[in-house]
Amino acid sequence: DIVLTQSPDSLAVSLGERAAINCKSSQSVLSRSNTKNSLAWYQQKPGQPPRLLIYGPSTRETGVPDRFSGSGSGTDFTLTISSLQAEDVAVYYCQQYYSIPWTFGQGTKVEIK
Amino acid sequence: EEQLVESGGTLVQPGGSLRLSCAASGFTFSRYWMHWVRQAPGKGLVWVSRINNDGSTTEYADSVKGRFTISRDNAKNTVYLQMNSLRAEDTAVYYCVRMLDSDYWGQGTLVTVSS
Repeated sequence: DIVLTQSPDSLAVSLGERAAINCKSSQSVLSRSNTKNSLAWYQQKPGQPPRLLIYGPSTRETGVPDRFSGSGSGTDFTLTISSLQAEDVAVYYCQQYYSIPWTFGQGTKVEIK
Repeated sequence: EEQLVESGGTLVQPGGSLRLSCAASGFTFSRYWMHWVRQAPGKGLVWVSRINNDGSTTEYADSVKGRFTISRDNAKNTVYLQMNSLRAEDTAVYYCVRMLDSDYWGQGTLVTVSS
């Protein structure tokens, strides 16, 4: 199974400041056939189901604010929130869909400093 | 409006069985692969199973293989998760998900396995 390890486990950022979450995969999730990385990022707010933010790993889902961006390739990926807003307080998960079983990172809790 | 509504979650004893249902509406259900993802209280997300659009292909996490069965009825726009030999560690909110392909999650149904 592919293991995804996120860092940090939690972070506190001031409003308007940048937040970055890393996701390291135990093996490459880069598809040789289409040169795409099978890595997605989800946001989960308390009491709500997760919401897909980014996949591929840099394509924003429809309706996702452009302050959210994804980068990386192979085994190392980053989700960046360029200017943290109050509504971004949540737990963020990376997820690989390269191979079965699909797996998630352990989650990173983002709070306001 | 697109909807996924899970049902069937309840308190069940260890070793018992339960069938979860997920009713879809507002989109062409038969076009999409469907997934179940679970989340134990206060814990992270765990992918459980998926089924292709016509029900001919299914896959499972190792932790549920041989105990859980995913199925679907495209005429009823419903996907199911039959859970047998339930264990305490199966306690979780179970989400029905149209994953990644126009990603959409239900609100989840709580399964509690306890004596």
